[in-house]
Amino acid sequence: GDSVTQMEGPVTLSEEAFLTINCTYTATGYPSLFWYVQYPGEGLQLLLKATKADDKGSNKGFEATYRKETTSFHLEKGSVQVSDSAVYFCALSETGGFKTIFGAGTRLFVKA
Amino acid sequence: DAGVIQSPRHEVTEMGQEVTLRCKPISGHNSLFWYRQTMMRGLELLIYFNNNVPIDDSGMPEDRFSAKMPNASFSTLKIQPSEPRDSAVYFCASRTYEGVKHFGDGTRLSIL
Repeated sequence: GDSVTQMEGPVTLSEEAFLTINCTYTATGYPSLFWYVQYPGEGLQLLLKATKADDKGSNKGFEATYRKETTSFHLEKGSVQVSDSAVYFCALSETGGFKTIFGAGTRLFVKA
Repeated sequence: DAGVIQSPRHEVTEMGQEVTLRCKPISGHNSLFWYRQTMMRGLELLIYFNNNVPIDDSGMPEDRFSAKMPNASFSTLKIQPSEPRDSAVYFCASRTYEGVKHFGDGTRLSIL
């Protein structure tokens, strides 16, 4: 079945450092890929998405590129802020499907 | 748009009591999902509905759990009788046609 694997956390960075959170997936079809973010005490919210190979999703300085050849969707940000501290979830959803497969989540701590 | 609305935000009750969690999805979203999140097990899909009809309840842990969606704007998740191991954050989410999930802020449930 479909699955999502993302790097274990926690990831601890200093402010203005470069962030990469790795995500790889397995899928039988051509899924859409997502990154969700969860701030303390809140539900998950969409950060960015990509619907086909080579698409780049971006939002709030975060980027991820849908790489079909490596089945990856790594999240990057050039300069993190303390306010980026949260849990980040990589996810996939098959076209036309109801279910979203979530990764286990990666907790990010950014120190001032 | 008000987003997905869940109530109550916090619930503390004694084991054996009935617990009812409520959710109002975003208007126009045809699919509704109930999730449970714990430190040990992460984010688990319990059940989802499409057009008010339950599609897959294979994630419901036991017969003590039940969910209903009497109309397009309301759903409940009920636990009866509750047990301490049911303590978790329960999220409701509704979904756009493009597959993006919109989560509520969750109900933090503590069973003593």
